[in-house]
Amino acid sequence: GNSVTQMEGPVTLSEEAFLTINCTYTATGYPSLFWYVQYPGEGLQLLLKATKADDKGSNKGFEATYRKETTSFHLEKGSVQVSDSAVYFCALTVPGQNFVFGPGTRLSVLP
Amino acid sequence: NAGVTQTPKFQVLKTGQSMTLQCAQDMNHEYMSWYRQDPGMGLRLIHYSVGAGITDQGEVPNGYNVSRSTTEDFPLRLLSAAPSQTSVYFCASSYSRGGSGNTIYFGEGSWLTVV
Repeated sequence: GNSVTQMEGPVTLSEEAFLTINCTYTATGYPSLFWYVQYPGEGLQLLLKATKADDKGSNKGFEATYRKETTSFHLEKGSVQVSDSAVYFCALTVPGQNFVFGPGTRLSVLP
Repeated sequence: NAGVTQTPKFQVLKTGQSMTLQCAQDMNHEYMSWYRQDPGMGLRLIHYSVGAGITDQGEVPNGYNVSRSTTEDFPLRLLSAAPSQTSVYFCASSYSRGGSGNTIYFGEGSWLTVV
């Protein structure tokens, strides 16, 4: 079946540090890949997505590249801020099947 | 621009009581779903629907009931609440079940405590 694996965390960084959250996937067919973010007390919001190999999704300084050869979609940001503290979920979808989410990675950014 | 709206935001129930979590979307999405989120467990799919009149079970359906009489609404019913159902519940919708680039949109969550 389809699955998503991501680093569990928590990840604690200082402000302006470089962020990487690893995500790998297993899927039948050709998935679309997503990163969602959940701020405290809120629902999940789409952060970025990519629909085919070598696509790069980007938003709010975050980036992730769809790597078919390594079945990965790692999230990166060059300089994190305190306001980036949240839980980040990697996810995939395949036509005709339910969305699949990773377990989430909690990020804490210290001033 | 409401998106996915859930009510109530917070609820405390006694064991054995029943209640309904309401969910409505205004994006004309065919696919709607309910998840529960528990510490260390991530998101788990309870029930989903691919259109009005069609529902199906997800990963953890026991103790919950759903119906889909309209495209817009997808209520989740707790039949006889148990402490194990204490959780945060999210309703979500998307254009279809899966699909290239198909984004899923979440409500703000309903915090349920069963005592």
